[in-house]
Amino acid sequence: DTEVTQTPKHLVMGMTNKKSLKCEQHMGHRAMYWYKQKAKKPPELMFVYSYEKLSINESVPSRFSPECPNSSLLNLHLHALQPEDSALYLCASSQNPGGETQYFGPGTRLLVL
Amino acid sequence: QKEVEQNSGPLSVPEGAIASLNCTYSDRGSQSFFWYRQYSGKSPELIMSIYSNGDKEDGRFTAQLNKASQYVSLLIRDSQPSDSATYLCAVTPPGGGADGLTFGKGTHLIIQP
Repeated sequence: DTEVTQTPKHLVMGMTNKKSLKCEQHMGHRAMYWYKQKAKKPPELMFVYSYEKLSINESVPSRFSPECPNSSLLNLHLHALQPEDSALYLCASSQNPGGETQYFGPGTRLLVL
Repeated sequence: QKEVEQNSGPLSVPEGAIASLNCTYSDRGSQSFFWYRQYSGKSPELIMSIYSNGDKEDGRFTAQLNKASQYVSLLIRDSQPSDSATYLCAVTPPGGGADGLTFGKGTHLIIQP
């Protein structure tokens, strides 16, 4: 089973709202990732968690705040977003960090008004 | 800067023919290579992973890796209309630490019935 789940599937928020995206996997994977994908573009890496510690932050604005409460769960907290942040947010996980296959969740489609 | 190049297409192939998708990468030390399929509005789905030079076959799919030429390809035999999608080539850099995927822009494949 290579299932990564994400909630919610869709999210509409205003620029003053605070919301959170949730990602969960029960495969015992020790690396988890957040990617952002705009329409007709490839996914772009935002954050990497390795053994529950943040190991990569790809210069993402502070209005995006990741959190890894435990080895199965990854959150992305959103605050004061801009309309240009509207995108598909993808979570992925891999057994171990360092080049192993990443499995993607279905994504959360975010619209910022 | 890490770069992954793909022809964006569209690549149009008759049903039953072989579809050939190509990808080049700039970081000579890259170690892990992946092909993902993405249907419109959906998340990337792993098709193949390849780590060493040569061919790797899985059903109708064959991945080919040539590290000397920094080239990865995907062949799809007996193409079906359901293979119509965007195919993303992805690479992880060397180092062995936690790294995200660097994606090419994707090739839009159309299988004509």
